[in-house]
Amino acid sequence: NAGVTQTPKFQVLKTGQSMTLQCAQDMNHNSMYWYRQDPGMGLRLIYYSASEGTTDKGEVPNGYNVSRLNKREFSLRLESAAPSQTSVYFCASSETLAGVKNIQYFGAGTRLSVL
Amino acid sequence: AQKITQTQPGMFVQEKEAVTLDCTYDTSDQSYGLFWYKQPSSGEMIFLIYQGSYDEQNATEGRYSLNFQKARKSANLVISASQLGDSAMYFCAMRGSGNQFYFGTGTSLTVIP
Repeated sequence: NAGVTQTPKFQVLKTGQSMTLQCAQDMNHNSMYWYRQDPGMGLRLIYYSASEGTTDKGEVPNGYNVSRLNKREFSLRLESAAPSQTSVYFCASSETLAGVKNIQYFGAGTRLSVL
Repeated sequence: AQKITQTQPGMFVQEKEAVTLDCTYDTSDQSYGLFWYKQPSSGEMIFLIYQGSYDEQNATEGRYSLNFQKARKSANLVISASQLGDSAMYFCAMRGSGNQFYFGTGTSLTVIP
């Protein structure tokens, strides 16, 4: 039972390089999310997708783009990586976006370092 | 503005004892949900328990219970009979009427044998 799968698990980039973080879920969830986790700051929402074909900005979207490729997959792209984007990135999914009982299920995270 | 506050950066508990992890929140929404997640050293985020603002009873899931005090805007997690495997970071989170999900800064729990 895979749940939410993120690739890669680790990545080191040089400033200015680009990369795409991949996320796939097998729970038939409609909504998907990308967060970053920095020391002492909890998780912050970067982008989310309420359903296939829609994406919206979260709290910290600058420097990122996303694509909801299909219902299963939601990718996060860094076009020109900066050291400030060094973080742990989490993908999550939930059955829907509506309602306050919005239990999100998380992937294992991607640890990204930008030098 | 919505906000989650966890004031305990680190906590210690003896194995088999109970421990309470504090969480206070700030929201003007009438309908909201409160969540607790566990993050072990391996890094994944594991959903533990959910409490809705209109739920009359405190939520329980096995050894986890949520002490929900609406007037005080607190949603403390109680772990009974602590086990060594409970050592982890614990995050409180809230979902209000908007499409955002707010996390606290976390509490590191260490269970001592």
